[in-house]
Amino acid sequence: SFELTQPLSVSVAPGQTARIICEGNNIGDKNVHWYQLKPGQAPVLVIYRDDRRPSGIPERFSGSNSGNTATLTISRAQGGDEADYYCQVWDINPTAVFGGGTKLTVL
Amino acid sequence: EVQLVESGGGLVQPGGSRRLSCAASGFSFSDHWMYWVRQASGKGLIWVSRISGDGGATSYADSVKGRFTISRDNAKNTLYLEMNSLRAEDTALYFCARVQAYYYYMDVWGKGTTVTVSS
Repeated sequence: SFELTQPLSVSVAPGQTARIICEGNNIGDKNVHWYQLKPGQAPVLVIYRDDRRPSGIPERFSGSNSGNTATLTISRAQGGDEADYYCQVWDINPTAVFGGGTKLTVL
Repeated sequence: EVQLVESGGGLVQPGGSRRLSCAASGFSFSDHWMYWVRQASGKGLIWVSRISGDGGATSYADSVKGRFTISRDNAKNTLYLEMNSLRAEDTALYFCARVQAYYYYMDVWGKGTTVTVSS
């Protein structure tokens, strides 16, 4: 099955830009989606189809995907952005493949 | 408001059974594929199962195949996951999620329900 690799953690100072990568073999050929998970809350889709933002997601969140790396970029990071972030692609089996998740710390 | 609410979690003995439910509201339930996704404590998200809008197509992760059954009742706007022969490794927070067709991303999630398999 397709494998996605994410860094365990990323740290960013408030107001700076955080970049979370998701690596996979020729991931640029796939559609990548990103989710934000906070304890006790429903996961939230923040980016779909590589670079599209759902309604209600701030413009500070953006995405890109090329070659072997997809990237979630969070500009002007805020304390409220602290969460675990997961990338995901569709595959034949299993249907949905997730990266291992990245814990974003804003400090 | 578009919403998914899971229920049915709890403590189950190894080898036991449990049925999870996911109540949907605020959208046309039968128009959407639905997924179950789980997360063990301190671990990442794992896809478990999926079902088509009419319930006619289903699939499962290898780890649950033959033990779990996904189903839905579109008249009740409810998704189910019947879990049998439960193992300690099935202990997790279980989420249901609405799927957008073709690109298969999950645009609406519930908060999850916790299943603990332990004696």
